[in-house]
Amino acid sequence: DIQMTQSPSSVSASVGDRVTITCRASQGIDIWLAWYQQKPGKAPKLLIYAASTLQSGVPSRFSGSGSGTDFTLTITSLQPEDFATYYCQQANAVPPTFGQGTRLQIK
Amino acid sequence: EVQLVESGGGLVQPGGSLRLSCAASGFTVSSNFMSWVRQPPGKGLEWVSVIYSGGGTHYADSVKGRFTISRHNSENTLYLQMNNLRAEDTAMYYCATGIKIYTLDYWGQGTLVTVSS
Repeated sequence: DIQMTQSPSSVSASVGDRVTITCRASQGIDIWLAWYQQKPGKAPKLLIYAASTLQSGVPSRFSGSGSGTDFTLTITSLQPEDFATYYCQQANAVPPTFGQGTRLQIK
Repeated sequence: EVQLVESGGGLVQPGGSLRLSCAASGFTVSSNFMSWVRQPPGKGLEWVSVIYSGGGTHYADSVKGRFTISRHNSENTLYLQMNNLRAEDTAMYYCATGIKIYTLDYWGQGTLVTVSS
């Protein structure tokens, strides 16, 4: 199975800040990586797929990059509604494994 | 509009069984891959199973031999039959689907399964 490792596990930031979350795959997955946002008590929401393609309706302050084994999710100009937990997921092979999550908290 | 509505969760004793359902609308379950993903309380997401449009299936090692994914095309419903349940199966169970393989565009609201004596 492909292991997905996110860092950091938790980050504190302020409204207006820029935040970067990284995700590393244990083997190459080309561009087949997705990012999800999850708020407490809610189902995850797809933000980005194919490493850098923004899902319809997702604000442009979210962006993704990377290929192979190393990927990043960047949120520029944090908004109050962005404080949530973020997960990466490889979509290259079954089982489609998730990272352990990154909790983005208000400083 | 795509909608997924799970049901069937509840409290069950270790060794017991449950069948989860996921009623779909806005698309046909047989035309998409469909997945189950679970989340233990306070923990991260774990992929459980997938059924492809062609009917093939895959399972996480942690549930292989105990869980069975299936679909009823005329009812447009996805199922997860869970047997020999263990405490570590306690989780919110989500059904999900998408357009690109394994990428989950659409999620249900989840149904909670608690395995405890």
